[in-house]
Amino acid sequence: KAGVTQTPRYLIKTRGQQVTLSCSPISGHRSVSWYQQTPGQGLQFLFEYFSETQRNKGNFPGRFSGRQFSNSRSEMNVSTLELGDSALYLCASSLSDNEQFFGPGTRLTVL
Amino acid sequence: GENVEQHPSTLSVQEGDSAVIKCTYSDSASNYFPWYKQELGKGPQLIIDIRSNVGEKKDQRIAVTLNKTAKHFSLHITETQPEDSAVYFCAAGNTGFQKLVFGTGTRLLVSP
Repeated sequence: KAGVTQTPRYLIKTRGQQVTLSCSPISGHRSVSWYQQTPGQGLQFLFEYFSETQRNKGNFPGRFSGRQFSNSRSEMNVSTLELGDSALYLCASSLSDNEQFFGPGTRLTVL
Repeated sequence: GENVEQHPSTLSVQEGDSAVIKCTYSDSASNYFPWYKQELGKGPQLIIDIRSNVGEKKDQRIAVTLNKTAKHFSLHITETQPEDSAVYFCAAGNTGFQKLVFGTGTRLLVSP
C-alpha cells in the first residue's frame, strides 16, 4: 500500500507571496493532519481534517489555512509569507484513533 | 495545554549497547504516547506506541514503558545497530483528538 505523498518536495518563495502544499493520504485514511517542523520550535501541530471538516486547530495565525477534498486529499495554504515560515511541512494520515503516518514533507524556504 | 519534555537531546552508544530515552508530559488527560524515528531527509516514522491502559509494550528490540502516576514514559532500544542512528521523538495525544504534542527530539548515534 502506498504511503503518504506530499507535493512539491521543495519550494522556494519570497516574502509576501502565498503557497499551497498538497498531501495525499494512505488509501482509506480519512484523517489528515498537518505539522510544521523547525529547528527552533520542533514539531508543531497546525490542523487536522476529517471528512472535509477541520476538527482540530493549533496555535498558528490565520495566514495558515487548509482544506480537504472528498477523496481525502488535503491542501494547506500559507498567505503573505514571512521569513519565519521557512520550515519542513509534514502531513500525516490516520485510519484509527491517533496512529498517524507521516509523509516525507515539503521543505519551504522563504527568501 | 500539554507540554512534553524529552531527554537527553543527544545520545552516543556503541553498537550492541542499550539506549534509553525519557519523556515527561504535563496533561493527565493524555492517553496515547507514540514514538517516532526520523532519518535525514525523511518524515517521522512511527516505531511503537502505547496507550494509558498498558504499562509496557515490546516489539523485538524496542520497548516502551509508561508510568501514568509520574507522567513519564521511556523508549528502550536493546542491541543497538548503526542503522538505529536517527532522531527519535516522543509525543503525547488524547484519544479522539488527532493533535500530537511532540518532545524536542533525541539524536541517537550508534558507533560500530
